[in-house]
Amino acid sequence: QKEVEQDPGPLSVPEGAIVSLNCTYSNSAFQYFMWYRQYSRKGPELLMYTYSSGNKEDGRFTAQVDKSSKYISLFIRDSQPSDSATYLCAMSPIDTGTASKLTFGTGTRLQVTL
Amino acid sequence: NAGVMQNPRHLVRRRGQEARLRCSPMKGHSHVYWYRQLPEEGLKFMVYLQKENIIDESGMPKERFSAEFPKEGPSILRIQQVVRGDSAAYFCASSPRRDITEETQYFGPGTRLLVL
Repeated sequence: QKEVEQDPGPLSVPEGAIVSLNCTYSNSAFQYFMWYRQYSRKGPELLMYTYSSGNKEDGRFTAQVDKSSKYISLFIRDSQPSDSATYLCAMSPIDTGTASKLTFGTGTRLQVTL
Repeated sequence: NAGVMQNPRHLVRRRGQEARLRCSPMKGHSHVYWYRQLPEEGLKFMVYLQKENIIDESGMPKERFSAEFPKEGPSILRIQQVVRGDSAAYFCASSPRRDITEETQYFGPGTRLLVL
């Protein structure tokens, strides 16, 4: 069993839709959670990060963490064609007060259509 | 403020040759991470370095792979005697990591290695 599970998609939605992307994890030591966006043949671009359970909002993006269920989500409101990319969840434990190597999900490919 | 830089962006090697991948972290960042992304797979951690020190190499294959981050110059990921299975995208990330609020890792554009 992988430490981080993520549905690879592809997920196709119409422009303007609300998108929900999810990851589950099995390692209870994970305390630091991130979402990256990766366009084709580019490097991952950080979208959001959080340490705590609950919601964190940044513009059209909301990250949600439920540590009791080991479940994290990224919501994208008013999706745009430019949001079409692969979305990667990533997480790590926090060792000696600081984070370390990231464990990634396999990524969900999102296509926003006109 | 320049981001993480990696070169070359594309590298073609024949089986048995050596591959050297370079990474210059963001200005002010002294922590470097290397990840590998195989086709249709997520990124896998390889090694974490600070200047002149390897902190965690638990993701590095035991043979043929090595990494360094010298006091001056970029971090280098070196693959000796490459095999076709080494073909992948190799990403470098950096962070300032001065305290818990500065853990975020910023990624470079990657080097795509193709072994013929």
